[in-house]
Amino acid sequence: EDQVTQSPEALRLQEGESSSLNCSYTVSGLRGLFWYRQDPGKGPEFLFTLYSAGEEKEKERLKATLTKKESFLHITAPKPEDSATYLCAVQGGTSGTYKYIFGTGTRLKVLA
Amino acid sequence: DAGVTQSPTHLIKTRGQHVTLRCSPISGHKSVSWYQQVLGQGPQFIFQYYEKEERGRGNFPDRFSARQFPNYSSELNVNALLLGDSALYLCASSYRRAETQYFGPGTRLLVL
Repeated sequence: EDQVTQSPEALRLQEGESSSLNCSYTVSGLRGLFWYRQDPGKGPEFLFTLYSAGEEKEKERLKATLTKKESFLHITAPKPEDSATYLCAVQGGTSGTYKYIFGTGTRLKVLA
Repeated sequence: DAGVTQSPTHLIKTRGQHVTLRCSPISGHKSVSWYQQVLGQGPQFIFQYYEKEERGRGNFPDRFSARQFPNYSSELNVNALLLGDSALYLCASSYRRAETQYFGPGTRLLVL
């Protein structure tokens, strides 16, 4: 069964305290793995797309990596404005039909 | 450039009623997907449309339907509303089917 599992469910960090969020996945016909940030009551904001194992992407304090079974979102020296829910999603499918599967997210709180 | 837009932003309905939600994709994007997000959960995939044809469907009952118009905008229709349909409904667009999706702000639906 296709599924995405994110851990931890919630994370509290002090400002400047680096950490990593995990996304493990099982999907047939992986087309891509995506990271989004979501603030309360708003739509997800795109962060990264990863397509193949070994790929890495960076943006400011965030770095995403991908293996054949999981992805990590590394947050270096976080700031309070990084507080949000971080969602991981995979796109999979065969025979011309595709679907996105999201995890339940990691709620990150960065304390000043 | 304008991002994905959705209307209305909020909606209150009663059980048994019908609702229509609307989405305009980013200019040039030909694919639109719909998601349902219940509080505390990740978005659940409902439909994907590409070039006005349905190209993916999630595990939702037949009460949910959608269509895409020649200008690539889309409507999501839900019949015979249930209390459990209360959620944030998200629309996302991409240039092609198997590419990064960009989300709109969502429509908050409350069913009483």
